Amino acid sequence: DVKVTQSSRYLVKRTGEKVFLECVQDMDHENMFWYRQDPGLGLRLIYFSYDVKMKEKGDIPEGYSVSREKKERFSLILESASTNQTSMYLCASNPGLGQLSGELFFGEGSRLTVL
Amino acid sequence: AQSVTQLDSQVPVFEEAPVELRCNYSSSVSVYLFWYVQYPNQGLQLLLKYLSGSTLVKGINGFEAEFNKSQTSFHLRKPSVHISDTAEYFCAVSTTDSWGKLQFGAGTQVVVTP
Repeated sequence: DVKVTQSSRYLVKRTGEKVFLECVQDMDHENMFWYRQDPGLGLRLIYFSYDVKMKEKGDIPEGYSVSREKKERFSLILESASTNQTSMYLCASNPGLGQLSGELFFGEGSRLTVL
Repeated sequence: AQSVTQLDSQVPVFEEAPVELRCNYSSSVSVYLFWYVQYPNQGLQLLLKYLSGSTLVKGINGFEAEFNKSQTSFHLRKPSVHISDTAEYFCAVSTTDSWGKLQFGAGTQVVVTP
């Protein structure tokens, strides 16, 4: 089974802190994604990566950056956390272009609270 | 660009009753459609998907969905729900030129009561 692991299930940070959310997948997937989930808004794509060191902006990239130095690891960075970034963050992966299925495999989520 | 509308934010249902969750999409190109379920404090799990072929798709846990191209819909159904089906359900769409970049609906919370 594909396993996507997010390093922290719950985090509490203060305004202005730098925050790192880590995600690791164990199935050699090409694509990795960071989504943000908020009540009534569903999931919104922050950033995605098609390959190591490659990244593309999603629908709501402002205030975030990402890093993909190794194929299995995709990190989301909040350079200076703000209260409006309090949310559930979901990491996902899929095999990549040329694969029949567009299915995403999700981690269990990281719930971030910014005070 | 594609978009997804889930027409109900919350659906209360009694145990052993049927349930239907409605999903409409818009896209100018061919689509792939998905339903995911999220149990409390967990990530999303795939229920079923439509890529091509038969428009009636069967998934896990007794769920099924029907792709209707003319009505741009992909409604999810289950003939008899259990308490354990209490969860949030998300409809999602991707297109032939956006593998994996799923666009999600706002979600439908299903609450099953005895």
